[in-house]
Amino acid sequence: QKEVEQNSGPLSVPEGAIASLNCTYSDRGSQSFFWYRQYSGKSPELIMFIYSNGDKEDGRFTAQLNKASQYVSLLIRDSQPSDSATYLCAVKKVSFNKFYFGSGTKLNVKP
Amino acid sequence: DAGVIQSPRHEVTEMGQEVTLRCKPISGHDYLFWYRQTMMRGLELLIYFNNNVPIDDSGMPEDRFSAKMPNASFSTLKIQPSEPRDSAVYFCASSFPFQGENTGELFFGEGSRLTVL
Repeated sequence: QKEVEQNSGPLSVPEGAIASLNCTYSDRGSQSFFWYRQYSGKSPELIMFIYSNGDKEDGRFTAQLNKASQYVSLLIRDSQPSDSATYLCAVKKVSFNKFYFGSGTKLNVKP
Repeated sequence: DAGVIQSPRHEVTEMGQEVTLRCKPISGHDYLFWYRQTMMRGLELLIYFNNNVPIDDSGMPEDRFSAKMPNASFSTLKIQPSEPRDSAVYFCASSFPFQGENTGELFFGEGSRLTVL
């Protein structure tokens, strides 16, 4: 079983819609959760970090964490074509400072 | 501040040659990670260091791969001999631990794209 699972997509949404990206993880010892965005040919960049159950909002982005269900999600409101990228979910066990990445979900936002 | 710096950005070599990839982490970060990314396998952790000491090298594919961190500002990943299946983008990343206001996020370099013919 993989540490972090994501649907590879592609997920296609029209411009202005809400994009919903999901991620599950296997280890209940995971304590920090990250969403990275990676444009084609570029390196991953952090867009959201969450470690407490519930929602965390930053602009058009909302991260949701449910530790009981071992589930993390990312919502992108008012999606823009510039949001088209691969979104990587990462989890970390703080005690080991070791990151586990999902395979990424490719998002296409159509104008 | 400068980010994580990697070199070379692109490397094309022939099978059997030695390849050395270099990384300079962000100053003050005490964790350094080497990842490999391919379409098939995604981002794979190869090895990571804490305060220049290798902590976990379980992701290193085989003895052909080695990594060193002689000081806090420099690390190398060496492949000898290289094989076509080593073709990938190799990322170096650094971080602080998660404490206080630090999220412990990874900061990635721009990557080294390796092609082994």
